[in-house]
Amino acid sequence: EVQLVESGGGLVQPGGSLRLSCAASGFTFSSYWMHWVRQAPGKGLVWVSRLNSDGSSTNYADSVKGRFTISRDNAKNTLYLQMNSLRPEDTAVYYCAREGNYDPTPDYWGQGTLVTVSS
Amino acid sequence: DIQMTQSPSSLSASVGDRVTITCRASQGIRNDLGWYQQKAGEAPKRLIYAASSLQSGVPSRFSGSGSGTEFTLTISSLQPEDFATYYCLQHNSYPRTFGQGTKVEVK
Repeated sequence: EVQLVESGGGLVQPGGSLRLSCAASGFTFSSYWMHWVRQAPGKGLVWVSRLNSDGSSTNYADSVKGRFTISRDNAKNTLYLQMNSLRPEDTAVYYCAREGNYDPTPDYWGQGTLVTVSS
Repeated sequence: DIQMTQSPSSLSASVGDRVTITCRASQGIRNDLGWYQQKAGEAPKRLIYAASSLQSGVPSRFSGSGSGTEFTLTISSLQPEDFATYYCLQHNSYPRTFGQGTKVEVK
């Protein structure tokens, strides 16, 4: 069974940093592209970033470019999102998601981890 | 960036109703679109990929159509478990963009 479990969320002050993790199991993690998607409280889904299978190619939303870094450790079956210079508008539930192997839309999602940026 | 305009933002419907949700892309995206269902407090669930292909395990009352700039998600006969928020997602180019969502509520 495919499982994605996010962790690392919490309360952080504006300007602070946080690293999210997403532990993957039930599939060959190293073969799949991965994404981060976020959702502010009561709002819609917003795509954040994606990383290819070997970690050599990334894309970011303009709102996080230069502040967030997506990475992976295929030996540990784990995806990361390093978030720096956090702003109140980064407050959201952050989901990791696996890109489908025959279609680029994410097919499996984790349950999310809440990041709150507030003083 | 490609903008995805989803309509309506909300609708009220009854069990058994036919429901149609539309997404319009600001430029042509071929059939590079998926549809998701999200229930309160849960992660999104993929319903449709490649605009019209039904995700395995998803009931056949869900269908998708369209290509280019206009896409439709149809629920042929609304069931109690279908009250949720629905999103479209384009993957034609980066950044990927979602529609604003359509909340389907009980009439």
